[in-house]
Amino acid sequence: DVKVTQSSRYLVKRTGEKVFLECVQDMDHENMFWYRQDPGLGLRLIYFSYDVKMKEKGDIPEGYSVSREKKERFSLILESASTNQTSMYLCASRERHPKTYFGPGTRLTVT
Amino acid sequence: LAKTTQPISMDSYEGQEVNITCSHNNIATNDYITWYQQFPSQGPRFIIQGYKTKVTNEVASLFIPADRKSSTLSLPRVSLSDTAVYYCLVGDGSGGYQKVTFGTGTKLQVIP
Repeated sequence: DVKVTQSSRYLVKRTGEKVFLECVQDMDHENMFWYRQDPGLGLRLIYFSYDVKMKEKGDIPEGYSVSREKKERFSLILESASTNQTSMYLCASRERHPKTYFGPGTRLTVT
Repeated sequence: LAKTTQPISMDSYEGQEVNITCSHNNIATNDYITWYQQFPSQGPRFIIQGYKTKVTNEVASLFIPADRKSSTLSLPRVSLSDTAVYYCLVGDGSGGYQKVTFGTGTKLQVIP
């Protein structure tokens, strides 16, 4: 079975801190994604990557950046965390086929 | 982008069949329709996908009419463990799947 792992299930950071969320997939998928999920808003796409060192903005990229140095790893970076970035963050990976595999999520709290 | 519209929530008693309909009026010719299930504090999980007519697997059935402007996810004889949010997705309109957008989904509550 495909496995998508995220570095932390829960994370608490202070306003202004730089935050790294790491995601690793084990199925050699080309496409990887970062979403955030907030009550009443569903899943919103932050960034996605379709190849190593390639990235594209999703629907809400402001305040975030990403890095994909290796095919299996996709990192989400909050350069200066703010309280409105408190959310559940979900990483996902996908082949060309539309079936998407999600990680367990990281619940980030910024205080 | 092909947008989807689903009911926000549904309630059902255990043992009943549940049908969740999704509208996708602007679906592109090459787009597949995909459904996901999400339990609290977990990532969404793929359930089923289809292009036209009917698809069935061990979890659900998917009905797609000829015009493909809607689809219906059917869950037979639901149990309490089927309480979850169900998302309907279609491709990004170009036949590709890079920028697929999730909506708010349908929150299904199964009642004992």
